[in-house]
This record gives sequence, C-alpha cells and structure tokens, in this order.
Amino acid sequence: EDQVTQSPEALRLQEGESSSLNCSYTVSGLRGLFWYRQDPGKGPEFLFTLYSAGEEKEKERLKATLTKKESFLHITAPKPEDSATYLCAVRGYNAGNMLTFGGGTRLMVKP
Amino acid sequence: DAGVTQSPTHLIKTRGQQVTLRCSPKSGHDTVSWYQQALGQGPQFIFQYYEEEERQRGNFPDRFSGHQFPNYSSELNVNALLLGDSALYLCASSWDRGQRPLHFGNGTRLTVT
Repeated sequence: EDQVTQSPEALRLQEGESSSLNCSYTVSGLRGLFWYRQDPGKGPEFLFTLYSAGEEKEKERLKATLTKKESFLHITAPKPEDSATYLCAVRGYNAGNMLTFGGGTRLMVKP
Repeated sequence: DAGVTQSPTHLIKTRGQQVTLRCSPKSGHDTVSWYQQALGQGPQFIFQYYEEEERQRGNFPDRFSGHQFPNYSSELNVNALLLGDSALYLCASSWDRGQRPLHFGNGTRLTVT
C-alpha cells in the first residue's frame, strides 16, 4: 500500500524567510509524484509532477526536488500570497490511476 | 475555457438520507475521479470513471456509487448518510485515463447532521 507523510503539519514564516516542506513516501514503484496547492474552500491546484530521482521543477518562488524516498518543496523569499496548504501525492505502479495524498502542510507567511 | 465545475457548493443532509453530487469535467477531459477530503486531511480516492464505467475503486463502502454520462459529466451518490460522511467531496478530471495530472474542482461541502 502506498503511503505519503508530509512534514511539518504547519509552518509559519516571515515574508522573505525561505524554507522547505518535506514529503516522504513509500510506493510499489513510482509513476509520478505530484505537488498541489490548496487555498481555503477551494480544490487543489496542480503545481508540479516529478517522475524520477534527481528531477527538479521550478515555478516562480517554488522549486520541487525528488529523491528515491522523499520530495522537497523549497520556497524562496515567500510572500503572504504563498500562504496555503501544500499537498503531496504519489501514483504507484500497483495503484492504477489512483493518487495517494499526504495530510498536507499548512503554510502561513506573515508580512 | 471552463475548468472542472461541481454542484452544489454546499449541502446539509440528515443521517440516513441520500445525496447526489454533480461534476462537469474540464473541456477535453474524458476521465472523472472522485475524492473525499475530511477536515484537515488530504483527499482520499473514492473511484474513477472512464467510458461510462467504474474503472477503479478505493476503500469505500458500496453506499458510495457513481455514474458517468455520455458527455463525460459524472454524479456521486451516497446512500444512508452517516455523520462521518461529512467532508469536502472533490471531483477531478483528466484525459489519458488519469495518467496526466488531475485538475480538481472546488468541491461540494457536505454536512451530515
């Protein structure tokens, strides 16, 4: 059974204070690791897909990296509008097209 | 280009009742998946529909059922509602039978009293 654990559960940063969110996973065989952003009362918004260890993707202040056991979402010089819950999900070879999500990291960036 | 749309946005039901939630996928998408998200938790997979058939199911009882129509829209039905069914129900669409990243709607918030 695929499993995803995200840490920390909550993170408070000052504007401009860079940090990283962690996503640890166990999966039968990775077919993709996905990062989503979710604002309160909204559905998850797709950010990145990573497929193999060593891969990196960037978008504005966000950078996602992947190893064989975990992924990191690095946030550089965050702004208050980056405040949201960040969700990590995996798709494993034995799971069909199902995504297994972690519990998310609630990020709050204070001005 | 409309994204994934879900209706209603909010719903209040009583234990034992039945509910139907609706989803229209993003234009060009033919696969619909449903997820349940309890407060403070990540989404959990309920099932996926493709070509009007249920293709994959998560660990949910058969009180949860669905349907996909020829225009790719979908319904989620929940019978004999329990208090524990209170959650945000998310619909996600994709093409390529879900191989690609999923696009989510904003969900239906179901409260069971």
